[in-house]
Amino acid sequence: EAGVAQSPRYKIIEKRQSVAFWCNPISGHATLYWYQQILGQGPKLLIQFQNNGVVDDSQLPKDRFSAERLKGVDSTLKIQPAKLEDSAVYLCASSLVTGPNYEQYFGPGTRLTVT
Amino acid sequence: GQQVMQIPQYQHVQEGEDFTTYCNSSTTLSNIQWYKQRPGGHPVFLIQLVKSGEVKKQKRLTFQFGEAKKNSSLHITATQTTDVGTYFCAGRVGGSNYKLTFGKGTLLTVNP
Repeated sequence: EAGVAQSPRYKIIEKRQSVAFWCNPISGHATLYWYQQILGQGPKLLIQFQNNGVVDDSQLPKDRFSAERLKGVDSTLKIQPAKLEDSAVYLCASSLVTGPNYEQYFGPGTRLTVT
Repeated sequence: GQQVMQIPQYQHVQEGEDFTTYCNSSTTLSNIQWYKQRPGGHPVFLIQLVKSGEVKKQKRLTFQFGEAKKNSSLHITATQTTDVGTYFCAGRVGGSNYKLTFGKGTLLTVNP
């Protein structure tokens, strides 16, 4: 079974530039998550999709971050404009459905460096 | 908001020694999950605990969920170099769209 795919794996940009990340979840997984993991901390949920609808985006900085999952499969996360504090690993995860008892499968992440 | 705290932040052991990491929540959890992240890798699911006082074992790993469902622990017996990584607990509060809140993790290093 193929895992969660993410690209690019690494990205270096200057502050105020824009960047986009792509995620393809495990086939058949209805729920997709984007997390931000700053060095030395645990993953922080940015946004959660159930199919193509947003379930939770309470921690997404909406003035600069946006995400979409138009066809209910793959997803993109965009940052515009980037700030220095956005330097982090952006993890995509998926689970079979939204619910309390479903484990999440994580992708390899995109390491973003903002200079 | 909900907070999940983990201690210790770091733990260095000699191979063969035991290791324990503790997780505490400010609110009662509906369940708790544990993940392991190898250096340079991504989190990988280990286990989920749901019931008050639940204890589960996976070979040398023992997971416990507190009676009040506010704390949890992971104990590794006789550590091996393959146990190196960061161990995260992640808790869910009932009715919160099943959002997982991760602790900061405990980084375990093992000296062979």
